[in-house]
Amino acid sequence: DAGVTQSPTHLIKTRGQQVTLRCSPKSGHDTVSWYQQALGQGPQFIFQYYEEEERQRGNFPDRFSGHQFPNYSSELNVNALLLGDSALYLCASSWHSISYEQYFGPGTRLTVT
Amino acid sequence: ILNVEQSPQSLHVQEGDSTNFTCSFPSSNFYALHWYRWETAKSPEALFVMTLNGDEKKKGRISATLNTKEGYSYLYIKGSQPEDSATYLCAPGSGSSGSARQLTFGSGTQLTVLP
Repeated sequence: DAGVTQSPTHLIKTRGQQVTLRCSPKSGHDTVSWYQQALGQGPQFIFQYYEEEERQRGNFPDRFSGHQFPNYSSELNVNALLLGDSALYLCASSWHSISYEQYFGPGTRLTVT
Repeated sequence: ILNVEQSPQSLHVQEGDSTNFTCSFPSSNFYALHWYRWETAKSPEALFVMTLNGDEKKKGRISATLNTKEGYSYLYIKGSQPEDSATYLCAPGSGSSGSARQLTFGSGTQLTVLP
């Protein structure tokens, strides 16, 4: 059983560009949450998707948007990249009806130059 | 927005030592407290989820306790081994009923176990 997978592993972008990160949840999970981890900090909640809709959102600007597909996989899009968007982006999946456990992927390291 | 504090920020211990870390969080609007272990270049691994005041969980040499009334949790490692070296994160979950709640993470405690 594959766990949570994310792609790509690393990428480098320049300021002003747009980026798309991808996440496939653990088998049987229907809810995907995205987190940003900046250097020296704990992961910060960006938003959560369930039934292809954004259900909860953290304190992130509208430049951060997402999507969930019918197969429960998800994308995180960031527009107009800033240097401060450089971070590790983590995806976590869970089962809607059992809300306690969240399983994390290995993350995508984004560097904005 | 929850303010989650973890202490110490980092810790070096000798193999065989026992150690413990603290996580403190606001006790209002609380539903569960998660502990994760995060090794470099790997995914954060769930250790425990605790929901009730007085909960105690154990997994091998690692155990955790929860006090929801005063808003803290302790993680204990007995007889530390080099493979225990990792960052330990706590995350209270909050929010109203509904789907999986958002987690608010502390900055973590970075543990290094020296052989």
